[in-house]
Amino acid sequence: EVRLVESGGVVVQPGGSLRLSCVASGFTFHDYTMHWVRQVPGKGLEWVSLIGWTGVGTNYADSVRGRFTISRDNGENSLYLQMSSLRTEDTAFYYCAKDSDRHCTTTTCYLDYWGPGTLVTVSS
Amino acid sequence: QSVLTQPPSASGTPGQRVTMSCSGSRSNIGSNYVHWYQQFPGTAPQLLVYRNNQRPSGVPDRFSGSKSGTSASLAISGLRSEDEADYYCAAWDDSLSWVFGGGTKLTVL
Repeated sequence: EVRLVESGGVVVQPGGSLRLSCVASGFTFHDYTMHWVRQVPGKGLEWVSLIGWTGVGTNYADSVRGRFTISRDNGENSLYLQMSSLRTEDTAFYYCAKDSDRHCTTTTCYLDYWGPGTLVTVSS
Repeated sequence: QSVLTQPPSASGTPGQRVTMSCSGSRSNIGSNYVHWYQQFPGTAPQLLVYRNNQRPSGVPDRFSGSKSGTSASLAISGLRSEDEADYYCAAWDDSLSWVFGGGTKLTVL
């Protein structure tokens, strides 16, 4: 059974930093591109970042580029999101999600499993 | 403002058929698959339809998806009270990112 469990969400002041983690199980983590997606409470979904299965390829939403860094530890089956220069508008539930296919390099893949999310609140 | 456009709400009575739309552009829906997610309050999104019209195992055939040009739609037939949820469309964008709709809140009257 695929499981993704996020952690690290807390209340942090504007301008602060935070690292989120996502522990994966039930699939060969090192074979899949992983993603972070966020959702402001009561609002829609916003894709944040992705990292390829080797950890080499990454991409970010314009809203977080330069402030957030995605990384992974395949030996620990873990995905991370280092968040800095946090803004109030970064307040959201943060979900990790996996690609549907191993080593996906085409546009046929989709996000098939999501974790339950962790809440980040940026407030003074 | 979400990249994909969805109506904020939809409603129907039990047994009815309801549809909800998702509009995008050539760089996302126009050139890539559309996927749909169902989200209940306080839970994570769950995959409902993938690659325009495919259903994961366990999803009833009451749910169906379609795509034409730069738009897509999700249809739910034989509406049930447990279908009351938020529905999101998603597509890969040629800018190498995922884009989502703002979601449609379905109310079963």
